[in-house]
Amino acid sequence: EVQLVESGGGLVQPGRSLTLSCTGSGFRFDDYAIHWVRQVPGKGLEWVSGISWNSRSIAYVDSVKGRFSISRDNAKNSAYLQMNSLRPEDTAFYYCAKGDASDLWGQGTLVTVSS
Amino acid sequence: QPVLTQSSSASASLGSSVKLTCTLSSGHTTYMIAWHQQQPGKAPRYLMRLEGGGIYKKGSGVPDRFSGSSSGADRYLTISNLQSEDEAAYFCETWEDNTQKVFGGGTKLTVL
Repeated sequence: EVQLVESGGGLVQPGRSLTLSCTGSGFRFDDYAIHWVRQVPGKGLEWVSGISWNSRSIAYVDSVKGRFSISRDNAKNSAYLQMNSLRPEDTAFYYCAKGDASDLWGQGTLVTVSS
Repeated sequence: QPVLTQSSSASASLGSSVKLTCTLSSGHTTYMIAWHQQQPGKAPRYLMRLEGGGIYKKGSGVPDRFSGSSSGADRYLTISNLQSEDEAAYFCETWEDNTQKVFGGGTKLTVL
């Protein structure tokens, strides 16, 4: 089955860290860029970060620069989002998506930043 | 960086057709976009990618009722023979440099 599966979400206190994982199956994972997109419940989609197939190109939305770090391990068909210095405004569902047109989405994982 | 503009809401009757619009900002009017559907409580689902010339490529399993078209800076998603399960939010997306994306604000479609 062609799918992306996120994991690693949960409740975390402000200022702490969390790492999300995204594992792909059913397709050539190392052929595609992977992106992280977040969504506050009831609101729109916000692109957070993207990494090219070979990790040579990486980008972040301004609000997470210096706090979040994206990486991937093609041998494990996985991508990661290391989130440091978390803030309450980072609370959202986090989705990973495949490729430039996001033609495959994961089911999402909820990150709640609260004391 | 491109900006995508969508109406916040739309409505149409069961069995009718609706055309949703996504408008690219000036200087980015030739960009390709993608359309996604998000039903309540679910993850987004890819519908299609749509080029400026109106050529579109749908995802696997997307019904024939969904089609795309373009005119200038506008990219359209047309849903024919509306069904109750089409009630959802519809987002457009574009991208740059393979690692940066922009999403429109989304249109919430109500099926009457």
